[in-house]
Amino acid sequence: DVKVTQSSRYLVKRTGEKVFLECVQDMDHENMFWYRQDPGLGLRLIYFSYDVKMKEKGDIPEGYSVSREKKERFSLILESASTNQTSMYLCASSQASGGHGGELFFGEGSRLTVL
Amino acid sequence: SQELEQSPQSLIVQEGKNLTINCTSSKTLYGLYWYKQKYGEGLIFLMMLQKGGEEKSHEKITAKLDEKKQQSSLHITASQPSHAGIYLCGADGGETSGSRLTFGEGTQLTVNP
Repeated sequence: DVKVTQSSRYLVKRTGEKVFLECVQDMDHENMFWYRQDPGLGLRLIYFSYDVKMKEKGDIPEGYSVSREKKERFSLILESASTNQTSMYLCASSQASGGHGGELFFGEGSRLTVL
Repeated sequence: SQELEQSPQSLIVQEGKNLTINCTSSKTLYGLYWYKQKYGEGLIFLMMLQKGGEEKSHEKITAKLDEKKQQSSLHITASQPSHAGIYLCGADGGETSGSRLTFGEGTQLTVNP
């Protein structure tokens, strides 16, 4: 059974803390994505990656960075967490498909609260 | 950039009733994906549509893509409490968008027994 695993389901952090959200997929997918989901705003793309050590900014990259040192792992980093980064974070992966979108496989999400 | 609008934003139905959720795009859709999300969890893939006029069904859920490829509908027949959740449409904007999908805001479905 294919799987995208996010390291933490629930996190509570304080303003200014550095936060790491880890995501691992076991499907040998080239593409990995980080979205955040907020009521009334839907899913918004933060960063994505087409290959190891490659990253691309999504629609809302400010305040975030990412790391992809291995094909199966894509990490989202909040250098200095702020209260407006309280959200549900969703990781996804997909197989490369010649430039067109393909089915995304999602993790179960990480709900981050910043106090 | 591509924008997706879903309607309605929320829907409450009695068990056994039929319902329809719509997804309208500001641009031509190269691929339209329907996902379901249970509260606080990840998204589960339902169906993908690519061709104008295409229709797919899985159990009691049917999705259609119009001929102009700018609107899709998701229809549930004889709804059950297990259908409750958030339904999201996602769009592939074509070659310039790479493999990324843009999502609508979602439709919250409640099915009362």
